[in-house]
Amino acid sequence: DTGVSQDPRHKITKRGQNVTFRCDPISEHNRLYWYRQTLGQGPEFLTYFQNEAQLEKSRLLSDRFSAERPKGSFSTLEIQRTEQGDSAMYLCASSLAQGDTNSGNTIYFGEGSWLTVV
Amino acid sequence: KNQVEQSPQSLIILEGKNCTLQCNYTVSPFSNLRWYKQDTGRGPVSLTIMTFSENTKSNGRYTATLDADTKQSSLHITASQLSDSASYICVVSPFGSNYQLIWGAGTKLIIKP
Repeated sequence: DTGVSQDPRHKITKRGQNVTFRCDPISEHNRLYWYRQTLGQGPEFLTYFQNEAQLEKSRLLSDRFSAERPKGSFSTLEIQRTEQGDSAMYLCASSLAQGDTNSGNTIYFGEGSWLTVV
Repeated sequence: KNQVEQSPQSLIILEGKNCTLQCNYTVSPFSNLRWYKQDTGRGPVSLTIMTFSENTKSNGRYTATLDADTKQSSLHITASQLSDSASYICVVSPFGSNYQLIWGAGTKLIIKP
């Protein structure tokens, strides 16, 4: 399967613990996005990378959240000192963007990583 | 404020019937409009993507239309199948943005046998 893959698919953690999610985008896709989605809501943008550079970061991404894409391939999203409000599905997406805009390019999503903080 | 509104919020139809979902947006100017299908608990799957200059795009039994003058889009599903049960989300990308997507709340479609 050459789609966007995310790991783990499900994570239950105690409040205060740290969690890390991994995303492997479609090979050769230069853009990688992280979103958060709660039940009944659309995805909320968290951050995105162009190759290894993190170009935009939402205000939703507090200091407890950090994302990396060290070699411009896979990415990790770490949440430190988790809170119950962090419970959500974390979606990773990738695209092959030409130029500075995402006009016309399909953005492919992974299956998401479900986080439950108890 | 850039907004994307979808209607109806939910819809129940019988298997084999057709249906049309609506999307109204205020994002202007915009570069493209996308329709995604999302099964419960899974990531969104792209159905169609249209630039501002296109007015229709098909993908199998799915046909999306776009009227940039009235800022409306629709997604028509033909001969519905049980597997079409999902949320359908309209997403608009503002012109010039290289990351921003404005998401609608989605229409939850249920197909009954």
